[in-house]
Amino acid sequence: QVQLVQSGAEVKKPGASVKVSCKASGYTFTGYYMHWVRQAPGQGLEWMGWINPNSGGTNYAQKFQGRVTMTRDTSISTAYMELSRLRSDDTAVYYCARDKYSGSYYPGYWGQGTLVTVSS
Amino acid sequence: DIVMTQTPLSLSVTPGQPASISCKSSQSLLHSDGKTYLYWYLQKPGQSPQLLIYEVSNRFSGVPDRFSGSGSGTDFTLKISRVEAEDVGVYYCMQSIQLPRTFGGGTKVEIK
Repeated sequence: QVQLVQSGAEVKKPGASVKVSCKASGYTFTGYYMHWVRQAPGQGLEWMGWINPNSGGTNYAQKFQGRVTMTRDTSISTAYMELSRLRSDDTAVYYCARDKYSGSYYPGYWGQGTLVTVSS
Repeated sequence: DIVMTQTPLSLSVTPGQPASISCKSSQSLLHSDGKTYLYWYLQKPGQSPQLLIYEVSNRFSGVPDRFSGSGSGTDFTLKISRVEAEDVGVYYCMQSIQLPRTFGGGTKVEIK
């Protein structure tokens, strides 16, 4: 079965960077886009972008352009999301989510989430 | 960006009674391929979101048939025919016709 296991909670200072990992299992990693979605405390869902694990190609929401980098390591079936120049309003749970089916281009299976706290 | 607007913000429902959530998009979600790219997710308390409905009216694997989706163009509805205690949480609609993907603000469903 599809499993997405994310890295543990992080506490970062403003201005720092954070890199969250998402290890996939139960399917062919390179066959499905991986989305990243975040949720600030008590708030709704915000799509950050996606990566095509096969080609490494990415598409980022305009809001995060220049601060977010999505990468992958196909040898260990893991996707990464790095966010730089962190601010307090980047405090959120960050989710990876796999395409429902290959070429669907929307999240179907979600990781457990990683809490990133930005605080001085 | 396409704006997704959900109503109501919250809903308190007696078990066994129906519930309905509306989602309106700022642009049509009907693609030239004939599909309409509207989805519903449920985030239960303390959990990750889970896909309920895809392309307006198709239930995801394992989703009970008390959940149904309908609508077209810019107006969509999620209905729960008989609410159960396990249905509590926040429901989100989302569009995938255009980048960036955008979600509605969410509708919180509680049990009376």
